[in-house]
Amino acid sequence: DIVMTQSPDSLAVSLGERATINCKSSQSVLYSANNKNYLAWYQQKPGQPPKLLIYWASTRESGVPERFSGSGSETDFTLSISSLQAEDVAVYYCQQYYSPLPLTFGGGTKVEI
Amino acid sequence: QVQLVQSGAEVKKPGASVKVSCEASGYTFTSHYIHWVRQAPGQGLEWMGKINPGGGSTSYAQKFQGRVTMTRDTSTSTVYMELSTLRSEDTAVFFCVKDRWLTGYDLHVFDQWGQGTLVTVSS
Repeated sequence: DIVMTQSPDSLAVSLGERATINCKSSQSVLYSANNKNYLAWYQQKPGQPPKLLIYWASTRESGVPERFSGSGSETDFTLSISSLQAEDVAVYYCQQYYSPLPLTFGGGTKVEI
Repeated sequence: QVQLVQSGAEVKKPGASVKVSCEASGYTFTSHYIHWVRQAPGQGLEWMGKINPGGGSTSYAQKFQGRVTMTRDTSTSTVYMELSTLRSEDTAVFFCVKDRWLTGYDLHVFDQWGQGTLVTVSS
């Protein structure tokens, strides 16, 4: 199984400041045939199901604000929120889809103000 | 719009089974995998398995092999997840989720989630 490890477990960021979340996979999720990283990010607000933010490590889903960006390759990835808004308080998860059996998620990072 | 509507909360005794439904609408039901993801209270996300609503084929996480069964009814665009031999550690919210891409791509990113079904296992 590909193990996904997120850091930190939680972080507090002031409104308007940058938040950075890290995700590390136990093996590369870069598929050489198409040079794509099989890595997605989700946001889960309290009492709600998760919402897809980013896939292919850096492609924003339709409707996701531009302040959310993803970067990284192979085993090391980052989700950045450039200017934190109050509505961004949530838990964020990374997920690999390189190896579909099983699909695996990171443990989550809680972002607070 | 795309919607996944799940059945209501359940309370079960240890050793029992639970069957959760997920009714899909707003897209071609047979064209996208449906997965089930579990979230224990205050914990992270755990993938349980998937079903191809078109042909009915399934794949399960090894952890749940032998205890989980996923089925579908194309006449009602509904997917079911049954988990047997329940124990207290199975207390969780269960989500059905839809793949962003068509089944032919075999790429699994989740663009639509059901509202979740809380299953409580308690004697």
